[in-house]
Amino acid sequence: QKEVEQNSGPLSVPEGAIASLNCTYSDRGSQSFFWYRQYSGKSPELIMSIYSNGDKEDGRFTAQLNKASQYVSLLIRDSQPSDSATYLCAVNSRDDKIIFGKGTRLHILP
Amino acid sequence: IAGITQAPTSQILAAGRRMTLRCTQDMRHNAMYWYRQDLGLGLRLIHYSNTAGTTGKGEVPDGYSVSRANTDDFPLTLASAVPSQTSVYFCASSTTRPPGELFFGEGSRLTVL
Repeated sequence: QKEVEQNSGPLSVPEGAIASLNCTYSDRGSQSFFWYRQYSGKSPELIMSIYSNGDKEDGRFTAQLNKASQYVSLLIRDSQPSDSATYLCAVNSRDDKIIFGKGTRLHILP
Repeated sequence: IAGITQAPTSQILAAGRRMTLRCTQDMRHNAMYWYRQDLGLGLRLIHYSNTAGTTGKGEVPDGYSVSRANTDDFPLTLASAVPSQTSVYFCASSTTRPPGELFFGEGSRLTVL
C-alpha cells in the first residue's frame, strides 16, 4: 500500500462549479501536507500547504485536514479551464521524506 | 534568476552506460530531493538529503546513488543504466523547517535504450 493515496481520475467538473480532490495517508506521524499542481509537460508547483486540523483558504482554493481520519482534501471554487491539470497530494513522512500520491487529473469543462 | 537548474534537459542513453544528472540550487535550501515520474505512477522519491553531508534512501533507490558535498549541488548517478530507468527526473529543494514546500527544477527526460 502506497503511503499516500489519491483517486487518479480523471475528474470532470463544469466551469464555475466546485472541484473536490481527496487524499489519504498512512503515516500517523505526518505533520505537513501539501497540494501541488502540475500542467502537462511542466514541473509541479506548490499551491497549498496545511499543518493543522481544519480549513485553510487561499483565494479560490481551500485545503482541509483531518488528522484523526488521515485525510486531506482540496476544494477549488469557481473552477476555471485553467485549473485543468494534475493535482498531487504530498505528505512529509518519517525522516522528513516528502512522499507524493499518484495525482488526480482534473478536467474543467467549458 | 534564483531557483533550481537541472542538466541535461533530455538525454538518450545506451543500456549499461553511466549517467549523472546534475542539480544545482541557489536558494541556500537545506533539503534536496530526487524524484522520478512515470505515467500512472506519480512522483516517486529516489533519494533525498536533509543537509549537506547527509543522504537518505527514498521509495525507489535501487540503481541510483547521490552525493551532497555542499549545500547547492545534488547530483544523481545511474551507475549502469537499464531501460526501466527511462523516466522524467525532477530535482527539488526546500527548507527543512517547515519541511515539504518544494521548489522543482524543470526536469530531465532520460531514455535508456
